[in-house]
Amino acid sequence: KAGVTQTPRYLIKTRGQQVTLSCSPISGHRSVSWYQQTPGQGLQFLFEYFSETQRNKGNFPGRFSGRQFSNSRSEMNVSTLELGDSALYLCASSLVTRGGNNEQFFGPGTRLTVL
Amino acid sequence: GNSVTQMEGPVTLSEEAFLTINCTYTATGYPSLFWYVQYPGEGLQLLLKATKADDKGSNKGFEATYRKETTSFHLEKGSVQVSDSAVYFCALGDTGGFKTIFGAGTRLFVKA
Repeated sequence: KAGVTQTPRYLIKTRGQQVTLSCSPISGHRSVSWYQQTPGQGLQFLFEYFSETQRNKGNFPGRFSGRQFSNSRSEMNVSTLELGDSALYLCASSLVTRGGNNEQFFGPGTRLTVL
Repeated sequence: GNSVTQMEGPVTLSEEAFLTINCTYTATGYPSLFWYVQYPGEGLQLLLKATKADDKGSNKGFEATYRKETTSFHLEKGSVQVSDSAVYFCALGDTGGFKTIFGAGTRLFVKA
């Protein structure tokens, strides 16, 4: 079974631009989460989607948004980029079961550099 | 709210040394607990998990026991290898919040 894929793997943008990152979950996984990883802040939760609905959002400004499609693929968008948005953006998918607390399967990440 | 605290790194060990990385948590209810590992240039991958009190998760020589009385989930390995050099994250499943809460990560360096 193919793992979680993220595209692109690397991005270089300039301040003020916007960017869209894509994530394809493992087949059959309907929950997709996004995290921002930086050396100073560690792993910070951005948002989680299930069946095209955002169920939770982390403490990030409105410039960060996302969506999920009917095939469970997800995108996140960052508008008006700032230098501080430079980070590794990780997508994770999981199988949702009645008991919850399911492990997450991570993609390799998209490395965003804002100049 | 729910949170995870793990020991700061980096931790530097010689090959075949014993490893312990401490992790404690704060949570309501009975969350599942996880250890994830991140190798350079890669995303995180699950190392082991435990879903209830006194469960022991194990994989690749690593072990961790879910201790509800001490709210801990310490990671141990009896004999580390150079290939174990990575960043290790302790985490708990926040079912109500539909997310996983991660500790800050502990970088491990193993010298030959």
